[in-house]
Amino acid sequence: DIVMTQSPDSLAVSLGERATIDCKSSQTVLFISNNKNYLAWYQQKPGQPPKLLISWASTRESGVPDRFSGSGSGTDFTLTITSLQADDVAVYYCQQYYTTPRTFGQGTKVEIK
Amino acid sequence: EVQLVESGGGWVQPGGSLRLSCAASGFTFSSYEMNWVRQTPGKGLEWLSYISGSGNTIYYADSVKGRFTISRDNAKKSLYLQMNSLRAEDTAVYYCAREEMATTYGYWGQGTLVTVSS
Repeated sequence: DIVMTQSPDSLAVSLGERATIDCKSSQTVLFISNNKNYLAWYQQKPGQPPKLLISWASTRESGVPDRFSGSGSGTDFTLTITSLQADDVAVYYCQQYYTTPRTFGQGTKVEIK
Repeated sequence: EVQLVESGGGWVQPGGSLRLSCAASGFTFSSYEMNWVRQTPGKGLEWLSYISGSGNTIYYADSVKGRFTISRDNAKKSLYLQMNSLRAEDTAVYYCAREEMATTYGYWGQGTLVTVSS
């Protein structure tokens, strides 16, 4: 199974500042034949199910604010929230869909400082 | 509007059984692969099982293989998870999730809580 490891486990950021979350996979999730990274980011607010934010490592889903961006390739990925808003308080998860079983990172809790 | 609504959770003793259901609406159910994912405070999000649109292809996580059975009824637009031989470590919130063309989980239900305890 591909192990997904996120860092940090939690972070506190001031409103309007940048939040950066890293995700590392135990093996590549880059499919060479189409040059696509099979990596997604989800946001989960308290009492709600996860919500898909980003697919293919860097493609925002419809309606996701452009302050959310994803980057990286191969085994190392980053979710960046520029100018953190109060509504962004949540736990963020990375997930690989390169192979079955699909696996998730342990989550990163983002709070307001 | 896509909606997924789980039901069937509750309290059960170790060794017992439960059947979860997920009612789908707002999309052509038979055209989509579906999954069950659970969440615990300790293990986070854990994929459990996958079923193709036709129901002909099924996968399970090792942790539930032989104990859980996924199925679907496309006429009723419903997904099911039969859970047998339940253990304390199966205590979790169980979500059904729609898979987007063999990639991500684009839509999730609100979840149903399963508690396994004596």
